[in-house]
Amino acid sequence: DQQVKQNSPSLSVQEGRISILNCDYTNSMFDYFLWYKKYPAEGPTFLISISSIKDKNEDGRFTVFLNKSAKHLSLHIVPSQPGDSAVYFCAATAYGQNFVFGPGTRLSVLP
Amino acid sequence: DAGITQSPRHKVTETGTPVTLRCHQTENHRYMYWYRQDPGHGLRLIHYSYGVKDTDKGEVSDGYSVSRSKTEDFLLTLESATSSQTSVYFCAISAFSGNPGELFFGEGSRLTVL
Repeated sequence: DQQVKQNSPSLSVQEGRISILNCDYTNSMFDYFLWYKKYPAEGPTFLISISSIKDKNEDGRFTVFLNKSAKHLSLHIVPSQPGDSAVYFCAATAYGQNFVFGPGTRLSVLP
Repeated sequence: DAGITQSPRHKVTETGTPVTLRCHQTENHRYMYWYRQDPGHGLRLIHYSYGVKDTDKGEVSDGYSVSRSKTEDFLLTLESATSSQTSVYFCAISAFSGNPGELFFGEGSRLTVL
């Protein structure tokens, strides 16, 4: 049973528009959430994170929102750029030891 | 970039043969992890280590063993490789010291078991 779910395997958006990637989790013990970006033939790279005591964290074009009551988080990318095309993984951890990843969402930003 | 090196980067082997993947870090981070990436499953934890000689199982540990005799090296061994272990394997490190940190990943090792 997946503890971290990303129900959209893929997403396509136009350049300049907003990309919204969603993630749901089931384990209420998770207290820290992260988003990773992965290009083909490379390792995942850290993008942005949020602690469970916050509901929003922003870093440039990237914003992560956390809704603890719904066990849901989302990553907003505004404006989307062709270089953002990649697979995005949502991850969660309890106490920072084990990191559980979702299956990923492939984002395609169309010029 | 975090100093993580995985070797080999690509390997083709036959069913039943032993395989060892190596992860080497230069960051002196305490935590090291082995994940496998498969379509539809994302990244799944195989084993992790929280110090020299201290390891624990992840969600997909069957058929794998690990060893960590030095802080900088974390070895993943497939005692008898099977076709279901064809995957891309990623090593990751974390500087966890009481506060959640981020994982830094290596570039991956692509293993094909024929």
